[in-house]
Amino acid sequence: DAGITQSPRHKVTETGTPVTLRCHQTENHRYMYWYRQDPGHGLRLIHYSYGVKDTDKGEVSDGYSVSRSKTEDFLLTLESATSSQTSVYFCAIKIQSSYNEQFFGPGTRLTVL
Amino acid sequence: QQQVKQSPQSLIVQKGGISIINCAYENTAFDYFPWYQQFPGKGPALLIAIRPDVSEKKEGRFTISFNKSAKQFSLHIMDSQPGDSATYFCAAKEPPGSARQLTFGSGTQLTVLP
Repeated sequence: DAGITQSPRHKVTETGTPVTLRCHQTENHRYMYWYRQDPGHGLRLIHYSYGVKDTDKGEVSDGYSVSRSKTEDFLLTLESATSSQTSVYFCAIKIQSSYNEQFFGPGTRLTVL
Repeated sequence: QQQVKQSPQSLIVQKGGISIINCAYENTAFDYFPWYQQFPGKGPALLIAIRPDVSEKKEGRFTISFNKSAKQFSLHIMDSQPGDSATYFCAAKEPPGSARQLTFGSGTQLTVLP
């Protein structure tokens, strides 16, 4: 998994509660991404970061915020979880290469009741 | 607005058969087309990729065919094996300067019967 870990791996929470997912990388990559994966939708970009404290929105950013205070950690926060945010969340990093490939972490399965 | 359309949604193939998954894209600025393979409970893993100046790329039993004029590309899995059963995603990369990078297709769940 290209040195990427995600925590927690599974979480069940209730509607209206805050949730924070953590992505940790060990290889000092500049770019990090959060995706959500839902049946029939593939992977959709939530937010991404291009450096410490530098973040931007993806195509499905409503209801999510992110923070990156250290190169190695990229946090995704659901301020007030809703059932529509039940999903599998993947973190990815971009490898600096001729094709700038992305490599994904193992994912976090989040269930909002 | 779906910039990369993938079909079929699911595919069942007999062992030894050929699996074919198709993708079509709209943005002619895409400059790199990877395919990802995902097993249950795992993250997607890069399988094979192609640049638009190449019409075909082969790695072992996996081949990408690329048709630039039709804005289509496909993944062919020859001699499909039960171990190939997974979900496959095509993707398209935006050109340099875009941090957003990848747009994914909706995925194809492949089942290879023994």
